[in-house]
Amino acid sequence: AQTVTQSQPEMSVQEAETVTLSCTYDTSESDYYLFWYKQPPSRQMILVIRQEAYKQQNATENRFSVNFQKAAKSFSLKISDSQLGDAAMYFCAYRAPYGGATNKLIFGTGTLLAVQP
Amino acid sequence: SAVISQKPSRDICQRGTSLTIQCQVDSQVTMMFWYRQQPGQSLTLIATANQGSEATYESGFVIDKFPISRPNLTFSTLTVSNMSPEDSSIYLCSVTDRDTEAFFGQGTRLTVV
Repeated sequence: AQTVTQSQPEMSVQEAETVTLSCTYDTSESDYYLFWYKQPPSRQMILVIRQEAYKQQNATENRFSVNFQKAAKSFSLKISDSQLGDAAMYFCAYRAPYGGATNKLIFGTGTLLAVQP
Repeated sequence: SAVISQKPSRDICQRGTSLTIQCQVDSQVTMMFWYRQQPGQSLTLIATANQGSEATYESGFVIDKFPISRPNLTFSTLTVSNMSPEDSSIYLCSVTDRDTEAFFGQGTRLTVV
């Protein structure tokens, strides 16, 4: 069974600095999707970034980028120029490709990010 | 993208009663899911809501406790039955379609007293 592990329960970063959140996963599949979701206190789940496993190029979305290491099964999120609005719980998630046994998301335990002014 | 309306946004319920949560999507979607997020925890999948047939439940969740309906491709309900304080959680509806990312409702915060 697939699993997702986030080893950092809490992280803190100074405003305008850079922070990296870690995520590792386990799967026997060769094709899959990885996501980072953000959950602020409003509890709305917001997609931050996605990565298709077949793509070697790391995904980027403005200040957010990932370091995807397929062989190591590692998927870290880098937030540059951190802003106060980035403070939230961040979840790493795995999903098998459509047409597989299921399209459900498997979530890590989350990392609570605090941004210090 | 899909816009999801989830109702109610929060409720306080007496133990032993039931609550039905509604999830309405602004477009037809292939797959709908219900997740539970216990206080301070991650999201755990309860079941996949299947259109026109019985939901597919994950290990540890049963239909008698969490009956689910999905009459069409834009609507689903989750009922939390015979509630106890241990059912106090956030319940989230999620949708996805083929290779798109998952979209979430704003969640229902349930407190059982």
